[in-house]
Order: sequence, then C-alpha cells, then structure tokens
Amino acid sequence: DIQMTQSPSTLAASVGDRVTITCRASQNINDWLAWYQQKPGKAPKILIYRASILESGIPSRFSGRRSGTEFTLTINGLQSDDFGTYYCQQVGSTFGQGTRVEIK
Amino acid sequence: QVHLEQSEHQLQTPGASVRLSCKASGYIFSEFAIAWVRQAPGQGLEWMGWIKLDNQRTFYRPKFQGRVSMTADTSTSVVFLDLTRLTSDDTALYYCARRGKKEGLFYGMDVWGQGTMVTVSS
Repeated sequence: DIQMTQSPSTLAASVGDRVTITCRASQNINDWLAWYQQKPGKAPKILIYRASILESGIPSRFSGRRSGTEFTLTINGLQSDDFGTYYCQQVGSTFGQGTRVEIK
Repeated sequence: QVHLEQSEHQLQTPGASVRLSCKASGYIFSEFAIAWVRQAPGQGLEWMGWIKLDNQRTFYRPKFQGRVSMTADTSTSVVFLDLTRLTSDDTALYYCARRGKKEGLFYGMDVWGQGTMVTVSS
C-alpha cells in the first residue's frame, strides 16, 4: 500500500478562520487524490478530486493544491457547518488517518 | 436519483462469514465501479477494494486478500461483499460507494450507501 499521512489529527478554529489540512503520499500519485468530509453518523461526501478540482455543489471556500507528493485542503473562511472529519484518499486506494475539525 | 441501498445490520460470531449487499439505482450500473469502505467504531475510513462492473474485475487491498470477495449481479444491479473468518477486528460500519467518473476516468467516490453495521461477537 501507498501510505497517506495526514496532519494534523485534530484542529480547532473559529468561524472565519483559514484552515489548512495536509496529506502526504509515500510515493508519487500524480494528482490522483480526493478529499472527503464526514459528519458524525453520516457517510463521507466528496469535496475535491484530482487534487484541486471542486466537486459540483461544493462551496468555493474549499480548495485543494498539490506540490509533489504533498497535498493540502484549505477552507477559506471557516463556517459553522464545516465541522467534521476530513479525509484524503489516493483515488481507488488508501485513506489518510483523518483530521477532525472543531469549531471554537 | 442515484442511490445505493445497503442491507440490514448483522451480528456474527467469530470465525463466521458475512455477506453484505448494495443495490444501485438511478444510473447505468455497468458503467461504473463500486468500492467498499469500512469504519470501525470511532476510527477512520479503511478502503477494502472495488469491483469494476463492466467486466467484474476486482481489486482488493492486500490485507484482505484471501478473505474478501466482491461480486455483482448485473441483472438486479446488486453488488455483494463476502468476508470470511471474521474476528472482532472486523466489527465496523461497512459502506459501499460508487466510483464516479469524469471524462471516462474514475475520480473518487461520489455516491455512498447508508452503511451496514457488522458486529462480531461471541
């Protein structure tokens, strides 16, 4: 398996803050990376695919970037509805460990 | 609309096997793939594998090789997950999810089932 190392494991931020989550692949996966949001008791929802493309219907405050094997998910202007756990995934394979986002 | 309906929750004993189902509707079944992802209580997501529905080719995570089987009945648009030699470590919520396509390429899991809880306990 290619390992996906996600950080931080938890973060707490205030409404309006800019939040960044990082995911590092143990090997080159090009841009075959997706980001998901999961709320408690619900199935995950895809936010971004191909590392930086916003899925239809997802607010533009979410964005993704790739630099080599390092990927970032940024939320510009955190909203109260953005609480939950975020996961990166090498498409068709391994997930990162998840980042729980809490609203202060 | 596009929907994945999963089978009911199950209680199994250690050493037993379990079969889960995932019924797709609202799209052309054979044009996509279905992945299985599980989540142990309080833990993260774990990818198990997926089945490509045009040719029923399967891709399993190595840790599940020999214990997992994914099959599909294209006449009823149902995908099955069989997992054998269950242990307490297999206690989890099991999701099926459609591997979505953009420009003919799989890009991520765009539709998810509601999950089936499997509890393994003596």
